Amino acid sequence: QKEVEQDPGPLSVPEGAIVSLNCTYSNSAFQYFMWYRQYSRKGPELLMYTYSSGNKEDGRFTAQVDKSSKYISLFIRDSQPSDSATYLCAMSVFQGAQKLVFGQGTRLTINP
Amino acid sequence: EADIYQTPRYLVIGTGKKITLECSQTMGHDKMYWYQQDPGMELHLIHYSYGVNSTEKGDLSSESTVSRIRTEHFPLTLESARPSHTSQYLCASSDLGVLVETQYFGPGTRLLVL
Repeated sequence: QKEVEQDPGPLSVPEGAIVSLNCTYSNSAFQYFMWYRQYSRKGPELLMYTYSSGNKEDGRFTAQVDKSSKYISLFIRDSQPSDSATYLCAMSVFQGAQKLVFGQGTRLTINP
Repeated sequence: EADIYQTPRYLVIGTGKKITLECSQTMGHDKMYWYQQDPGMELHLIHYSYGVNSTEKGDLSSESTVSRIRTEHFPLTLESARPSHTSQYLCASSDLGVLVETQYFGPGTRLLVL
């Protein structure tokens, strides 16, 4: 079983829609939960990170963590064509050093 | 401007050739990483380094080798390329000593071995 599971999609929605991206995980030792965005032909870039259960908002983006269910989500409000990218969840755990485990990414397309 | 660079961006090469993928960062970060990413698959860590003269193997077994002679430079070498090495290779760096280790990624090198 993979430590982090993410639906690879692809997911295609109309402009302005609310998008929900999700990951589940099995390792309860994960401490930090991150979302990276990767545009085509580019490297991933960090969007947001959270530590505790609950919500964290940054503009149109909201990251949600439910540690009891081992489930994290990223919500995008008022989605724009420029949001079209692959979104990767990542989780970190300290095992002698910090280790980052990535989901496989969800490919998102926002249609104008 | 602080950044992380990878060259070449694309490489098509024949089986058996020796290749070196370059990675440089100007952020003064101690820790650097190499990941392998296949389409629709998660990033797999193949090598990392805590600083000069430090190199460690990652979770995914790889026939590549790395070196860290300078803080800003972390090249990856394949002595004899094979078609199974075809993939995207991503270099990243992060700052040690911060609570949340944020990794900054380069644009990647897409390698095709014929």
